[in-house]
Amino acid sequence: GAGVSQSPSNKVTEKGKDVELRCDPISGHTALYWYRQSLGQGLEFLIYFQGNSAPDKSGLPSDRFSAERTGGSVSTLTIQRTQQEDSAVYLCASRAFYGGVYEQYFGPGTRLTVT
Amino acid sequence: GENVEQHPSTLSVQEGDSAVIKCTYSDSASNYFPWYKQELGKGPQLIIDIRSNVGEKKDQRIAVTLNKTAKHFSLHITETQPEDSAVYFCAATTRESTDYKLSFGAGTTVTVRA
Repeated sequence: GAGVSQSPSNKVTEKGKDVELRCDPISGHTALYWYRQSLGQGLEFLIYFQGNSAPDKSGLPSDRFSAERTGGSVSTLTIQRTQQEDSAVYLCASRAFYGGVYEQYFGPGTRLTVT
Repeated sequence: GENVEQHPSTLSVQEGDSAVIKCTYSDSASNYFPWYKQELGKGPQLIIDIRSNVGEKKDQRIAVTLNKTAKHFSLHITETQPEDSAVYFCAATTRESTDYKLSFGAGTTVTVRA
């Protein structure tokens, strides 16, 4: 079946503009994660959604970052008033939420460049 | 929180030779350790994982070892091939929580020379 998809694949924006990044998880996966991958760095956890529970926002770097998940499926990561340090690849992953299953499936990412 | 360190940051090997990547972690509660391979322009893909109740796991040319006492784990690739060239990430999490948030190492860029 289809994997995790993300759009756009690339986004160039001017400093100070808002951007929205979209993630379509694997159908049936109730757990969804956003990570940020800066150049030469590992993946940094941003936010986690599980079903109808309140999201775990502990990784969001500032209040300019927010995310929502509508209908338990598609998720949107929004960055307001973008800064140059926001330039990175933003990765989304989904996971089936039942006992003994841990694997996270990643999308191809959105490369964000803030000029 | 968990801190995962990964070495080396780059690794160049001759085709057919072995490659070894090492990671250490800080949280003794971590008990699930996946390894991801990321090819250019793609998202990370799980290639092998190990849980704390085993010390070694193999899958064809790939093996992972875990030393819980020393808090380190390693990825071994034998008989390397050009298609093994990629960035490899180790990660750690604790299965006692239900969120399985992964803490990643900084990655190792592996280049296999033909």
